[in-house]
Amino acid sequence: ETGVTQSPTHLIKTRGQQVTLRCSSQSGHNTVSWYQQALGQGPQFIFQYYREEENGRGNFPPRFSGLQFPNYSSELNVNALELDDSALYLCASSLDMGGTSYEQYFGPGTRLTVT
Amino acid sequence: RKEVEQDPGPFNVPEGATVAFNCTYSNSASQSFFWYRQDCRKEPKLLMSVYSSGNEDGRFTAQLNRASQYISLLIRDSKLSDSATYLCVVSYSSASKIIFGSGTRLSIRP
Repeated sequence: ETGVTQSPTHLIKTRGQQVTLRCSSQSGHNTVSWYQQALGQGPQFIFQYYREEENGRGNFPPRFSGLQFPNYSSELNVNALELDDSALYLCASSLDMGGTSYEQYFGPGTRLTVT
Repeated sequence: RKEVEQDPGPFNVPEGATVAFNCTYSNSASQSFFWYRQDCRKEPKLLMSVYSSGNEDGRFTAQLNRASQYISLLIRDSKLSDSATYLCVVSYSSASKIIFGSGTRLSIRP
């Protein structure tokens, strides 16, 4: 086990609603990255948080936002949910030192279904 | 053209065979490279980092070819438990972008 936990495991929401997903990183890690994985695809990078600040972002609209807390846990918020947001959302924690990307360890994911 | 490309497979090989996958990337500024494996409906798990000099971990060997911009993964003496999707990952020094390939499916048959 990686020690990275995510909640909830599954979630069903209606189009237009808002959702908050949570991630607790592995002990000693200071960086959390969030990914969206559609069926049959590789994970798509949403953004990364390093020391409580956004450190990089993929091609996702501003309605995808996040937070990292002093204990390095993190939240992913998605506003105005769309049907295409249905996917597995993965968080990954790592220990980054000065911007160098180290190995990431993934949580089990949250499966979001938007109806 | 995708920034990171993998042959989706599936590769269907007999137990004990040697199998190799490549992964090409388009941005020469890429600095960190990794292979992950993902079992059906599970999270990706780190298999190995890929170093410039190449590296080996048991039956697994990873290589990086910066000139041709690809990384490779070789699996020797394949086991049934190696059946999974193998994802390559490329990231940039600023960590502002981390790109996963779409994965290569491997199925090992008895």
